[in-house]
Amino acid sequence: DAGVTQSPTHLIKTRGQQVTLRCSPKSGHDTVSWYQQALGQGPQFIFQYYEEEERQRGNFPDRFSGHQFPNYSSELNVNALLLGDSALYLCASSLTGAEAFFGQGTRLTVV
Amino acid sequence: QQQVKQSPQSLIVQKGGISIINCAYENTAFDYFPWYQQFPGKGPALLIAIRPDVSEKKEGRFTISFNKSAKQFSLHIMDSQPGDSATYFCAASKGRRADGLTFGKGTHLIIQP
Repeated sequence: DAGVTQSPTHLIKTRGQQVTLRCSPKSGHDTVSWYQQALGQGPQFIFQYYEEEERQRGNFPDRFSGHQFPNYSSELNVNALLLGDSALYLCASSLTGAEAFFGQGTRLTVV
Repeated sequence: QQQVKQSPQSLIVQKGGISIINCAYENTAFDYFPWYQQFPGKGPALLIAIRPDVSEKKEGRFTISFNKSAKQFSLHIMDSQPGDSATYFCAASKGRRADGLTFGKGTHLIIQP
């Protein structure tokens, strides 16, 4: 049983560009959450998707947007990249009401 | 505003010793408190979690102690092993378990052989 898978594993982008990160949840999970983890910090909640809708959102600007597909996979989009967006982006999946399982993350570097 | 404060930032423990990491929270609406373990290059992995209706939960060598009145909880790792060397995060959420976790800043634990 595959766990949470994220792609790509590493990514380098230029300031001002746009990026899309992808997540496939653990089999049977219907909820996907995204987190940003800066170097040496704890993960920060970006938003959560359930039934293809954003159910909850953390304190992140509108440049961060997402999508969930009918198969429960999800995308995180970041527009107008800033140097400060450089971080490890983590996807976590869960079955509604249960514990969250994290993927290995996508390391985004903005230059 | 940091809603979950974690200490210490780093910790060195001898093999076989007890590792203790502490967290304090501010939001009394939090009702689910998990601990995550993260190795370099990996995502966080759930270790153990507790709800405020119990004061202690033990799973193997890992124990959570919870003090609702003080709004504090801690992780104890008994008989610490070099393989336990990792970064540990406490977290908290309200409502459903996987909803919008608020994480502490992490504790870098090193177990010396």
